[in-house]
Amino acid sequence: GAVVSQHPSRVICKSGTSVKIECRSLDFQATTMFWYRQFPKKSLMLMATSNEGSKATYEQGVEKDKFLINHASLTLSTLTVTSAHPEDSSFYICSARDPGLLYNEQFFGPGTRLTVL
Amino acid sequence: GDSVTQMEGPVTLSEEAFLTINCTYTATGYPSLFWYVQYPGEGLQLLLKATKADDKGSNKGFEATYRKETTSFHLEKGSVQVSDSAVYFCALSEGGGYNKLIFGAGTRLAVHP
Repeated sequence: GAVVSQHPSRVICKSGTSVKIECRSLDFQATTMFWYRQFPKKSLMLMATSNEGSKATYEQGVEKDKFLINHASLTLSTLTVTSAHPEDSSFYICSARDPGLLYNEQFFGPGTRLTVL
Repeated sequence: GDSVTQMEGPVTLSEEAFLTINCTYTATGYPSLFWYVQYPGEGLQLLLKATKADDKGSNKGFEATYRKETTSFHLEKGSVQVSDSAVYFCALSEGGGYNKLIFGAGTRLAVHP
């Protein structure tokens, strides 16, 4: 099946700094990528949908100025957590949609663990 | 809004035991229903799906039937293996296709020899 990678797999940063997380589709071109956030023992919450070459669509309650999403190419989307604070500590997961497949199935990356000190 | 509720884990079973993980949903329309599995250190993978009432999704010995009358999509397997140890997520998507996914909290399954 299609492969989606994320980098880094885990990151620790100081409060007030910015962190960039990359999501790549390795063997297909993804016109749409999704960013999720997962709290411990909680479900994945969709943060935003990004389409290549256009602005991301954010879910209600997600601060677009804090969570910057760039989908500059068909294989790469980035999530930048700006001025991170401890409450931003979480597990961030991306998925990519392969438009060449029936029903446009989403393929998920392994996730990035962010810890803000 | 739409939501998915699944049984809390962890679920601990011996090899060859029968597995049921309950999942119920709330939706305004007619959603598609999914089970995803996440093995340790890996991303979520689609396990099975059902797109309309009474459909049965199946894969790798796992089955789930879309029950509209009980708004349920319970996951079952007749004989689990150690390799089935993972976290299982129930999810729904409105509109019939693979659009926005709404997930349950996930259920961790541990299978012992």
